Amino acid sequence: SAVISQKPSRDICQRGTSLTIQCQVDSQVTMMFWYRQQPGQSLTLIATANQGSEATYESGFVIDKFPISRPNLTFSTLTVSNMSPEDSSIYLCSATTVTNTGELFFGEGSRLTVL
Amino acid sequence: SQQGEEDPQALSIQEGENATMNCSYKTSINNLQWYRQNSGRGLVHLILIRSNEREKHSGRLRVTLDTSKKSSSLLITASRAADTASYFCATVPYNQGGKLIFGQGTELSVKP
Repeated sequence: SAVISQKPSRDICQRGTSLTIQCQVDSQVTMMFWYRQQPGQSLTLIATANQGSEATYESGFVIDKFPISRPNLTFSTLTVSNMSPEDSSIYLCSATTVTNTGELFFGEGSRLTVL
Repeated sequence: SQQGEEDPQALSIQEGENATMNCSYKTSINNLQWYRQNSGRGLVHLILIRSNEREKHSGRLRVTLDTSKKSSSLLITASRAADTASYFCATVPYNQGGKLIFGQGTELSVKP
């Protein structure tokens, strides 16, 4: 199994600013993903965080808006850039472990409110 | 990028009753998984069923998979108030790098 820590757990941000969310896993993982969950909605995959290379973004998400880093196997960051109220969501980090059972482990999420 | 449709969207039952949630998806998959999310929390993995499996059990959970109909169901037997949560099915589409695509979810309320 894996324990995923995210910070901040919540934040209130001003329109036009950027915020970086950090994700730390307590064990070696293979794949890391970032999801967005808008209020009352399901999870939407933003991107796959690739170690040492550019993230792979899903349709509708671009690097300029959501830059992602993954400098090593257990750490990743997601930045939400130039925020607007529409970016108010929970952002969740997830990972699969090296045993690759197929299941995803999730952090508790980072709840962002943009005013 | 939503792949799954779930029904019902909301389900309210009494403690002790069984709860059934259904999920349909669109593309070929490697496996299908069910997750639970308590209000304001992260997701917890419940069960995984592979594309060559038809039924799987884990405690009070029973999952079925019909790949010909591209559908799955989650049955929770003898429900408890602590089962109150949102339940999501998620698929790992074939040949897409292992990413998980979530359905819309079912909000389950179990009344004591």
